[in-house]
Formats: sequence, structure tokens, C-alpha cells
Amino acid sequence: EMQLVQSGAEVKKPGESLKISCKGSGYSFTSYWVAWVRQMPGKGLEWMGIIYPGDSDTTYSPSFQGQVTISADKSISTAYLQWSSLKASDTAMYYCARPITIFGADAFDIWGQGTMVTVSS
Amino acid sequence: DIQMTQSPSSLSASVGDRVTITCQASQDITNYVNWYQQKPGKAPKLLISGASNLEAGVPSRFSGSGSGTDFTLTISSLQPEDIATYYCQQYDNLPPMYTFGQGTKLEIK
Repeated sequence: EMQLVQSGAEVKKPGESLKISCKGSGYSFTSYWVAWVRQMPGKGLEWMGIIYPGDSDTTYSPSFQGQVTISADKSISTAYLQWSSLKASDTAMYYCARPITIFGADAFDIWGQGTMVTVSS
Repeated sequence: DIQMTQSPSSLSASVGDRVTITCQASQDITNYVNWYQQKPGKAPKLLISGASNLEAGVPSRFSGSGSGTDFTLTISSLQPEDIATYYCQQYDNLPPMYTFGQGTKLEIK
């Protein structure tokens, strides 16, 4: 079964650092991009960026450039999303997802279960 | 950047009703629209790709249509298990950019 499994919920204080993970299995992890998507409480979906684990080529949404770092370790089929200094406004559910090209455009066909990040003093 | 305007933002309908959700792109995107269903507390699920292609296992009461700038997701006969928030999404490759609509929250009347 193709799946993405994310790390567990986190509760952090403002200013702390954090790295969450997304492990792929059941498919060739290095042959597909991995995206990160934010969903703030009660709000919609926002694409943050993508990484190609095969060579770590990364593209960020302009809205998230400089705010987070996306990385991957292909040896363990895992992608990461990290913050160096969290803010209360980073409180959200974070999903990883696999984009694939279907009928000429990219769609997210596999999603992780989500990692809830809560930032509160 | 291409914007996706989804409407309505919320919708209340009865079991058996025909439900229509629309998504308008700010410029011609051919048929490069996908639709997702997100049930409460769950990750989104891909329903329709390329504007009208139903993913395997998705009930046939779901359908998608449209091209250019105007797209529609239709549920032909609403079922209780269809209660969810629905999102449209488009992809632009220069530079890579994925944009979601604002979402439509569907409730049972």
C-alpha cells in the first residue's frame, strides 16, 4: 500500500525550533515530489512547497519562502518541514502529500494523516 | 498568479438533492483542475482530476465538468456520507505553484 506517514502532534512555545517528518512507503520515494500543505484551524488548504527527494530540488510558495525549510533524507524515504523560531501563527495542521501528473496537471493523490502543531506560551 | 474563486462557501442541502459547487479561475487553465473532499478530522481525498476524471473508488454520483475558467463539481443525489468540505485546486508549472479554492462546506439540511 502506498502511503505517507507523518510524525505525531507537537506542542511548542514561541521561539522554539521544530522539525516534523513524513515517511513514504509502498512506492519509489525518490521518484516523486513531496509537498507540504498547511491548514490553519477552521481554514482552507495552503500549499507551502515541494521537494524532490531524489536530488533535494526544492520550490517554496512565495508566502512561505524564508519562513520554513523543507528537506529530505532519501536513504530513509523521509521528507521534513522545519521551523527555526516558531510563532503562535504557525499553529496549524500540516499535511504532506504526493503530487503526480494526471491528465497534464499535478494532483495530490496520496496524503499523510497530518501533524498538528500547536504553538502557545 | 492564478486565483481560484470557489462558491458557495457553505451549502445546506437535503439527502437526495442535486448539489453543485463552482470554481472560477482568474485565467484560462484548460482542464487543469482537481477536486478534493475533506471530511472532518481527516486528510483531503482526491475525487476528480483533469476537471472530469473520477478517481478509482469514488461513487459515480460525483462528477466534474468545465474547461477554460469555469468548473463545476456535482453530486447527483446527496448522501449523508458526503458531508465534508470540498476544494478545487489548480497547478501552474512556471514556476511550480499549487492553488486551492477557499473551500465549500457541505451540510445536511
